[in-house]
This record gives sequence, structure tokens and C-alpha cells, in this order.
Amino acid sequence: AQSVTQLDSQVPVFEEAPVELRCNYSSSVSVYLFWYVQYPNQGLQLLLKYLSGSTLVKGINGFEAEFNKSQTSFHLRKPSVHISDTAEYFCAVSGNTGGFKTIFGAGTRLFVKA
Amino acid sequence: EAGVVQSPRYKIIEKKQPVAFWCNPISGHNTLYWYLQNLGQGPELLIRYENEEAVDDSQLPKDRFSAERLKGVDSTLKIQPAELGDSAVYLCASSPGMGETQYFGPGTRLLVL
Repeated sequence: AQSVTQLDSQVPVFEEAPVELRCNYSSSVSVYLFWYVQYPNQGLQLLLKYLSGSTLVKGINGFEAEFNKSQTSFHLRKPSVHISDTAEYFCAVSGNTGGFKTIFGAGTRLFVKA
Repeated sequence: EAGVVQSPRYKIIEKKQPVAFWCNPISGHNTLYWYLQNLGQGPELLIRYENEEAVDDSQLPKDRFSAERLKGVDSTLKIQPAELGDSAVYLCASSPGMGETQYFGPGTRLLVL
């Protein structure tokens, strides 16, 4: 069975500071990994995804994530955050068993302060 | 291109009443998902359709929840009767095919009193 653990429920950070949102997963098969962002009263929007190939994945809004197979991690990073990055961030895993069912983490609330 | 459309955006009902949610996926997307999102949690899959066929409904509480996607396009999720614990956000998503990027609608926020 697959699972996702987001290690921080809330991350407060000052504007223009770097940020890392941590995600660990467990799976017995090859995985696809995703980060989604959810702004208040909106649906989830894809930030980036890892399917195969380069372990460093670049997404929208200056975010990037690195797939680390040995540590089963897929941490999300941004070198300099903006107030507008304040949102909920979800890590998700999907695999080719169970018909590519996607499992979401509980989310990390990023709060950017001026 | 229009995104995933859901209605209503908000719904308040009394317990034991029925309620229905509607979703229109992105045109051409064969796969449609209904998720439940509780406060402070990530989405949890209720049911997934490939065209008009429900291929994963293992997490759908079938005693009170039902769903349909009759023509393989839009879909309806129904709860009858609603319980207090059903208060949550119900998200619809679609993707071109299984395993591909999912595109989410804004959700329907349900409050059961």
C-alpha cells in the first residue's frame, strides 16, 4: 500500500526567505509524485510532478522538488517566497498498482509573513 | 479552455435530507474523480470513473452515497440521507486518462446541521 507523510502541518516564513516543505512516501512499486497547491476556497492546482528522468523537477511559480529514492522523499523548495505563496500544499503519490490511485498527504499550511 | 465546473459552491442542509452535487469535467477528459476533503486534511478518493464505468468505488459509503456518469461526461454525486459527519468539501477532478495529471474544480462545501 502507498502512503504519504507531510512532516510539517504549518510552516511560517518571512517574505523573501527560502522555504522547504517536506514529504516522505512509502510504496512498493515505482511511483509518480506530485505537489499541488490549494488557495482559499479553490480547488487544487498542480505545481509540479515527477514521473521519471531527472530527479530535480521544476514547477510553476518558482517552485522545485527533488526526488530522492533512497530516502523516499520528495521535498518542495522555493528560494524566495512571496506573500502570495500563502496557501495549503499537498504532496501526492500514485503508482501503477491499484490502477494509479492517487494518495494525498494531509497538507502543509505555508504562511508567508511580511 | 474551461476548467472543471462544480455546482453548487455551497450547500447547507439539515441532517437526514438528501443532497446532490454536479460536476462537468474538462472536455475530452475520460477520467473523472470525486474526492472528499475534511478540514485540515488532504483529499480522499470516493469514486473514479473511466468514461461511464466506475472503476474504483471502494471508499464510497454505498449505504448513503451514490454517483453516476451516464454519458461519460458530467457526473452527479448524491447523499441520501445526509449525516452531520458528511460536512466537508466535495471535490471533483478530471484527467485525460488514468495516471495523468488531475485538474480540480473549486469544490462544493457542504454543511449539515
